[in-house]
Amino acid sequence: GQQVMQIPQYQHVQEGEDFTTYCNSSTTLSNIQWYKQRPGGHPVFLIQLVKSGEVKKQKRLTFQFGEAKKNSSLHITATQTTDVGTYFCAAPFLFNAGNNRKLIWGLGTSLAVNP
Amino acid sequence: DSGVTQTPKHLITATGQRVTLRCSPRSGDLSVYWYQQSLDQGLQFLIQYYNGEERAKGNILERFSAQQFPDLHSELNLSSLELGDSALYFCASSDPGHNTGELFFGEGSRLTVL
Repeated sequence: GQQVMQIPQYQHVQEGEDFTTYCNSSTTLSNIQWYKQRPGGHPVFLIQLVKSGEVKKQKRLTFQFGEAKKNSSLHITATQTTDVGTYFCAAPFLFNAGNNRKLIWGLGTSLAVNP
Repeated sequence: DSGVTQTPKHLITATGQRVTLRCSPRSGDLSVYWYQQSLDQGLQFLIQYYNGEERAKGNILERFSAQQFPDLHSELNLSSLELGDSALYFCASSDPGHNTGELFFGEGSRLTVL
C-alpha cells in the first residue's frame, strides 16, 4: 500500500549536536509536509515542499525535497532543548479516480536532547 | 492557537460504553479530519469530511462513526469501547482552497477506557 517510511524512529542527541530525519516513498510525491509535535502537544505544521530539489530553511531547520521527489529530509543544526518532540512527514496520495487525495503520514522521529 | 476546538479535553469511561468527541474547525475551513494517536504510535488517519460529506476513510473501526454537520462542526462517535481504544484523538481542519494542504490540529481529546 501507500507508505511513507520515516527513519530513525528515535534519536537522542547532546545539545549542540545536529539531527536529521528522513522520509522515503516508493512513488513520486506531489509534495511533502513536515510537522512537529511537542510532548503532550498536537502536531504543528512546519513547512511544505513542492518542487524537485527544493531546499528551504527556517532558522536552524533545513528541509530538502529530493530531485526525484521520492524522499525528503529535515536537518536541525546545533539542537536545543526546545527542539524536543516528534517530527512527522506527510504526503498526499491519490485514493480514488476523483483526484481526491489523503495524507499518508510517516511514523515520526522522536528527538530527545540532553542539555 | 490553531483555531480548531476540541471537546472534551479528557474523558474517562468504562469498557462497553459510548462516547462522542466534538470538533469545531477553523473559521472557513470545510474539511475536517480525525486522527487517533496511541501511546508511542504515529498518527492513524480515521476519516475525513468535506462540507458535510465523507471524503476519505482510513483505519476507522466499524464501532466508530463520524459526521459533519451543516455548521461544519464534526463529531466522532466511539461505541462498545475497548481498553485498546484508549488514545489521543485529534481533529484537524484545512483550507478549502487546498486539497490536502496544511492541516491545523486541535489540542486533542484524551480518552481513557478502564
